[in-house]
Amino acid sequence: QKEVEQDPGPLSVPEGAIVSLNCTYSNSAFQYFMWYRQYSRKGPELLMYTYSSGNKEDGRFTAQVDKSSKYISLFIRDSQPSDSATYLCAMRRGKLIFGQGTELSVKP
Amino acid sequence: DGGITQSPKYLFRKEGQNVTLSCEQNLNHDAMYWYRQDPGQGLRLIYYSQIVNDFQKGDIAEGYSVSREKKESFPLTVTSAQKNPTAFYLCASSVPAETEAFFGQGTRLTVV
Repeated sequence: QKEVEQDPGPLSVPEGAIVSLNCTYSNSAFQYFMWYRQYSRKGPELLMYTYSSGNKEDGRFTAQVDKSSKYISLFIRDSQPSDSATYLCAMRRGKLIFGQGTELSVKP
Repeated sequence: DGGITQSPKYLFRKEGQNVTLSCEQNLNHDAMYWYRQDPGQGLRLIYYSQIVNDFQKGDIAEGYSVSREKKESFPLTVTSAQKNPTAFYLCASSVPAETEAFFGQGTRLTVV
């Protein structure tokens, strides 16, 4: 079993939709939780990170962590075609462990 | 500008040859990482280094080697022992106690 599980998609939504991306994990030792966005053939860029359970909001993006369920989510409101990318969750216990990434396509 | 530079962007290698991928950072980060990315498999950790002259194997270290002689440099050698080296390779760095890791733009290696 992988330490971090993420549905690879692909996920296709219409412009303006609310997008929900999720990851589950098995190791309760994970402390930091991150979401990265990766455009095709580019390096990932950090979108958000959080340490504790609860919600963290940044513009159209909300990161949610539920440590009791070992479940994290990223919500994108009012999705735009420019949000089309692969979204990777990542967790830290010393080294960084990544999920498989979810490929998102936002259609105009 | 601060950042991580990977070179070259594209690299072609003949079977049986070793090849070295460059990664340089001027962020003054202690930790550096190498990941491999294949379609549908996300990022898999090859090697990481928390401090100069020290490094640890990640999940898929076989067929790869690294060195960390300088804080700003963490080159990755893909040896002929790596059975399926064609992939997208990403280098990253971070302050160990912090959360953020910054990535380079990657090197796409193709074995011909």
